[in-house]
Amino acid sequence: DAGVIQSPRHEVTEMGQEVTLRCKPISGHDYLFWYRQTMMRGLELLIYFNNNVPIDDSGMPEDRFSAKMPNASFSTLKIQPSEPRDSAVYFCASIDRAMNTEAFFGQGTRLTVV
Amino acid sequence: AQKITQTQPGMFVQEKEAVTLDCTYDTSDQSYGLFWYKQPSSGEMIFLIYQGSYDEQNATEGRYSLNFQKARKSANLVISASQLGDSAMYFCAMRDYTGNQFYFGTGTSLTVIP
Repeated sequence: DAGVIQSPRHEVTEMGQEVTLRCKPISGHDYLFWYRQTMMRGLELLIYFNNNVPIDDSGMPEDRFSAKMPNASFSTLKIQPSEPRDSAVYFCASIDRAMNTEAFFGQGTRLTVV
Repeated sequence: AQKITQTQPGMFVQEKEAVTLDCTYDTSDQSYGLFWYKQPSSGEMIFLIYQGSYDEQNATEGRYSLNFQKARKSANLVISASQLGDSAMYFCAMRDYTGNQFYFGTGTSLTVIP
């Protein structure tokens, strides 16, 4: 398996624009997590899914943020409208609940909102 | 409440020396997993080592070992024979096997001095 795949790797956008981040988890994994990493706040859990169903979205900062998982192999994190304070690295990670293993992380998307 | 606490924002170690990175955790569960990740300046999250709550032996992976003290709820990472390439951020994490969430600490920045 190619691991968790995120796209794009880098995104620069203007304030007010819509941004969509994408994630393909490892095949067979039934949990998917979205994290945001900043210098000030560290690694924050935004939302996670189990079998495509959102379980906990209490970490989503505002209504401008939304996440979907239409099927087991694809998830999106959307920010609309984007603001400069959304600039961060966004990570997607997945696990197989049946395995007592680590969370497998994607390479991250570095988002810059100007 | 903070689930994972890493009290050392930054650490320095001389090349070839051993270093211990501290991690304490908070849970009332009996079954959980503890993990350490390395994040070099390139940004990816690299899994290092895992300790299950029922494991009686401390986990080891090459130069990495996890000093697990269950009664004290600590899971310190020991890196032996430090190398320049060990300079990175190190994150301690706990997996809750009930809800399958991952909780991350704020990280420790390790610098290896030649």
